[in-house]
Amino acid sequence: DSGVTQTPKHLITATGQRVTLRCSPRSGDLSVYWYQQSLDQGLQFLIQYYNGEERAKGNILERFSAQQFPDLHSELNLSSLELGDSALYFCASSGPKGNTGELFFGEGSRLTVL
Amino acid sequence: GDSVTQMEGPVTLSEEAFLTINCTYTATGYPSLFWYVQYPGEGLQLLLKATKADDKGSNKGFEATYRKETTSFHLEKGSVQVSDSAVYFCALRGIQGAQKLVFGQGTRLTINP
Repeated sequence: DSGVTQTPKHLITATGQRVTLRCSPRSGDLSVYWYQQSLDQGLQFLIQYYNGEERAKGNILERFSAQQFPDLHSELNLSSLELGDSALYFCASSGPKGNTGELFFGEGSRLTVL
Repeated sequence: GDSVTQMEGPVTLSEEAFLTINCTYTATGYPSLFWYVQYPGEGLQLLLKATKADDKGSNKGFEATYRKETTSFHLEKGSVQVSDSAVYFCALRGIQGAQKLVFGQGTRLTINP
C-alpha cells in the first residue's frame, strides 16, 4: 500500500460528459502529480501541484483541469469527453523538495468513455 | 527536453532465465534514474533507483547501473521467476524545474514456468 488513495477505481461514461477523479496523497506529501496511461502512449505526465499551486504542466488537454485543495487532496476534471480519453489515470505524490525523487503512486482510476 | 527510451516488448522468458531490459536516456546534466514495476491491476511501485553516475541500484535480485558515458540504465536479473511477470518502466527526474518523472514506454515481461 503506497498510501496514495484514488477514487473512483472504475468509471464508465459517455462521450461529451464530464467526470472528476480524486486523489489523496500520502500523509505529509505536498506534491501531487497526475499521469495518463493509455495503451498506445505509455505513461504521460499531465500536471503537478505543490502545496496548492500549479508547479508544472505537461501534455494536458485544455478540456482537462486540476486543482489541489488546502487539505492537499487533488482533483482532476475531464470534460467534453472523447473516446480517446479512455485510459488509466494515476495520481502520485512525493515529499518535500530535496527528497530522493521517488514518486508514490495510487492504484489508478480506469476511465472508459463509450 | 528530457526523454527515456526503453527496449520494446513484450518480452517472454522461461523461469530462471537471465533478464536484460535496455533503457537509455537524454537529459541535461546528471538526472536521477529509476525503475518502476507495475503488477497486473496495480499502480506503479519503485523497484530501484540511482542518483549519480556509476551508482548501482538493486532490489529483489534486480540491478541497474547508472552509466553516464552511454546514458544508460539497463535492468538485469540473473534468474527470473514467474512472479516477476509485470510491466517495467524506466524513468528519470531531471535536474532542472519540477520533480516530475519522465517515463519510458514500458516493457511487458512474461515469465513462463
